[in-house]
Amino acid sequence: QSALTQPASVSGSPGQSITISCTGTSRDVGGYNYVSWYQQHPGQAPKLIIYDVNNRPSGISNRFSGSKSGNTASLTISGLQADDEADYYCSSDTGATTRLFGTGTKVTVL
Amino acid sequence: QVQLQESGPGLVKPSETLSLGCTVSGGSVNNADYFWGWIRQTPGKGLEWIGSVDYSGSAHYSRSLKSRVIISIDKSKNQFYLKVNSMTAADTAVYYCARDRGSSSGRVFFYYMDIWGAGTTVTVSS
Repeated sequence: QSALTQPASVSGSPGQSITISCTGTSRDVGGYNYVSWYQQHPGQAPKLIIYDVNNRPSGISNRFSGSKSGNTASLTISGLQADDEADYYCSSDTGATTRLFGTGTKVTVL
Repeated sequence: QVQLQESGPGLVKPSETLSLGCTVSGGSVNNADYFWGWIRQTPGKGLEWIGSVDYSGSAHYSRSLKSRVIISIDKSKNQFYLKVNSMTAADTAVYYCARDRGSSSGRVFFYYMDIWGAGTTVTVSS
């Protein structure tokens, strides 16, 4: 597998909640709790927003939350704001001394 | 706080070798809790993990790039490096270095990349 599968785009209105899925296999997402999520604004480096499935680094808003069920991890953004408009990537350890990123999801705030 | 900064040429000719460095400030690469990784992003595309190296110099690579890549570390300079040989236009990308929290003792696991450099654009062209 070359990349984890994410929807190409997700959109929502300000104040709404949206969820981005990240689908892998039992060898990566389903096998370990080492799923992380990154936010990338245009022209900027990615920024860690969720690690170990559902933990937020210091300084990250509690509007961002993560979960996992089977081989699919999810990122939920609640109370959608204009600044949340960005690309989002998931990542997972594969258990084979490699790491995979997701295909990326563009979030649009309507 | 820890900061990472990439350095290297912005232009590489086809078939040549790309050499990039990443300088770590505010912290030490000699830390068993972290790997030091390279990631690239081709124009308009997603992120691709290239590989990561631990403090002892043990490196792990993406299967798709393994035959062309070497990642090394220099603890005395607090830097780590990326070499990619046989560059083609398909290797044109923004290259990022990042701190990669993980486990290198016993079984290797990559947890998350918590600090990233700003990225450097590399173009492959004659």
